Amino acid sequence: GESVGLHLPTLSVQEGDNSIINCAYSNSASDYFIWYKQESGKGPQFIIDIRSNMDKRQGQRVTVLLNKTVKHLSLQIAATQPGDSAVYFCASGGATNKLIFGTGTLLAVQP
Amino acid sequence: GAVVSQHPSWVICKSGTSVKIECRSLDFQATTMFWYRQFPKQSLMLMATSNEGSKATYEQGVEKDKFLINHASLTLSTLTVTSAHPEDSSFYICSALRGRNEKLFFGSGTQLSVL
Repeated sequence: GESVGLHLPTLSVQEGDNSIINCAYSNSASDYFIWYKQESGKGPQFIIDIRSNMDKRQGQRVTVLLNKTVKHLSLQIAATQPGDSAVYFCASGGATNKLIFGTGTLLAVQP
Repeated sequence: GAVVSQHPSWVICKSGTSVKIECRSLDFQATTMFWYRQFPKQSLMLMATSNEGSKATYEQGVEKDKFLINHASLTLSTLTVTSAHPEDSSFYICSALRGRNEKLFFGSGTQLSVL
C-alpha cells in the first residue's frame, strides 16, 4: 500500500539552531511533495512544496530536499525560533490530487 | 493567499444526533474538496473526495451513510456526521483544491466531541 512515514516522532532543538525533519515515502508514482506545519487545534499550514523534477527548493528560512532514489524527503529550518514549535507533516500526491500524510514530527524549540 | 473557511470550529453534541460541518472556499472556486479526520497526536487520514455536482468518493473503511458529503456549489462542501457516537469524536479538516494540479488549501478544522 501507499505510505508516507517519518523517521523521528519528536525533535527538540535550541533556539537559533537549524532543524532537519525527515520523511520517507513508498509510492514511487508520487510526483508532488509538501510540508505542512500544524499548531495545536488548527488546520495544516502550507510551508513549502516540491515536484519530482526538482531535488531542492528554498523558501524563507526553509529548504526542502528530495531524494527520489531512496524516496526520502527532508525539511530544513534555519535559525529555528520558538514560533516554529509545532507538528510537521510531509505529504505526497500524484495525478489524483489526493494527499497522503506522514505520521508527523513534533518540533520543540527550547529557548 | 487563498482562504478556506470551516465552520463550526468546535461542536459538542449528544450521542445519536447529527452534526453538519461546512467548508467554504472564500476567494476561489473549488471543484474538488477533501475531508480528513485526525485523532489526537495522529496524522490526517483522508476520508473522502468531494466533487462538485457529483457523488463523493469515499476511502476504504469510511461509511458513506454515516459521513454524508454534499458539494452543491463550487464554493461549499458539507460533511454531516449522522447519528454521532463518542467514537466519532475527532478533529475534522477540509481542504479545497484551487484549479487543477494546484495547491490544496486547508480549513482551520472542526473539533467534534460526542457525549
